[in-house]
Amino acid sequence: DAGVTQSPTHLIKTRGQQVTLRCSPKSGHDTVSWYQQALGQGPQFIFQYYEEEERQRGNFPDRFSGHQFPNYSSELNVNALLLGDSALYLCASSLVSHEQFFGPGTRLTVL
Amino acid sequence: DQQVKQNSPSLSVQEGRISILNCDYTNSMFDYFLWYKKYPAEGPTFLISISSIKDKNEDGRFTVFLNKSAKHLSLHIVPSQPGDSAVYFCAASTGGSQGNLIFGKGTKLSVKP
Repeated sequence: DAGVTQSPTHLIKTRGQQVTLRCSPKSGHDTVSWYQQALGQGPQFIFQYYEEEERQRGNFPDRFSGHQFPNYSSELNVNALLLGDSALYLCASSLVSHEQFFGPGTRLTVL
Repeated sequence: DQQVKQNSPSLSVQEGRISILNCDYTNSMFDYFLWYKKYPAEGPTFLISISSIKDKNEDGRFTVFLNKSAKHLSLHIVPSQPGDSAVYFCAASTGGSQGNLIFGKGTKLSVKP
């Protein structure tokens, strides 16, 4: 059984560009959450998707947007990239009343 | 202001001994607490959790203790093994296990043979 998968593994972009990160949840999971982990910090919640709708959102600007597809996979889009957006982006999937399982993350570097 | 704090950035323990990782929180509305372990180049791996209605949960070598009056929880690993060397994150939620998780900054545990 595949766990949570994310693509790409690494990504380098320049300031002002846009990026799309992808996540496939663990088999059977219907909820996807995205987190940003800056160096030396714990993961910080961006938003959560359930039934293709954004259910919760953390303290992130509108430049961060997402989508969930009917097969429960999800995308995170970041527009107008800033140097401070450089981080590890983690996707987590879960089922109702169960713990969140994390993918390996996508390392984004903004130059 | 950080709602979940792990005040020890690192901890070194001898193999076979007990490892105790600590976590403090400020939000009394948190109803679910979790511990995750993270190896380099991997995502966090769920270890153990506890609901706010309990004060202890045990799973093999791992035990989590919750002291609601002190807003403090701890993770005990007994006995510690070299493979336990990793960064440990404490996380809390106001929406059960599925709520958005508020993480501490992590404690790097080194277990020496």
